[in-house]
Amino acid sequence: DTGVSQDPRHKITKRGQNVTFRCDPISEHNRLYWYRQTLGQGPEFLTYFQNEAQLEKSRLLSDRFSAERPKGSFSTLEIQRTEQGDSAMYLCASSLRARTAGNYNEQFFGPGTRLTVL
Amino acid sequence: SQELEQSPQSLIVQEGKNLTINCTSSKTLYGLYWYKQKYGEGLIFLMMLQKGGEEKSHEKITAKLDEKKQQSSLHITASQPSHAGIYLCGAGAGGSQGNLIFGKGTKLSVKP
Repeated sequence: DTGVSQDPRHKITKRGQNVTFRCDPISEHNRLYWYRQTLGQGPEFLTYFQNEAQLEKSRLLSDRFSAERPKGSFSTLEIQRTEQGDSAMYLCASSLRARTAGNYNEQFFGPGTRLTVL
Repeated sequence: SQELEQSPQSLIVQEGKNLTINCTSSKTLYGLYWYKQKYGEGLIFLMMLQKGGEEKSHEKITAKLDEKKQQSSLHITASQPSHAGIYLCGAGAGGSQGNLIFGKGTKLSVKP
């Protein structure tokens, strides 16, 4: 399967613990995005990378959140000192950078990691 | 900031019926995406529209972007139980980063 993969698919943790999620994008895609989705809502943008550079962060991304994409391949999203409000589906997507400013390429999503904080 | 409003919020149709889902933006749309999501799963890419008046079809699903690029519709012909799920529209947030903003989704149920 050459789509976007995420690991783990489900994570249950206790409040205050740290968690880390992994995303493997489609291999030739240079852009990688993280989104968060809560029940009954559409995904909300968290951060994105172009190759290994983290170029944008949403204000939703508090200091407890950190993301990396070493070598411009897979990415990790870490949440420190988890809170119950962090419970959500964390989605990763990848795309190619559009050749023309203001244009967009298709974004392909992974299956998500569902986080439950007890 | 740009917002996307989807209507209806939920829809129950009899198998074989046609249906339409709408997505309206508060600003001009750049790159309008339609995705389908099964409960608890990731988003499946359906179609992307960029030009005003553009229309694309895939199997029994057709999406259109109006000339003014502020509204899109998704039309399903002869619905089947396999069409059931949550349909999300997403739009480019502007700028060069390419991240998307999404509507809240339309939940579609198809009764056999």
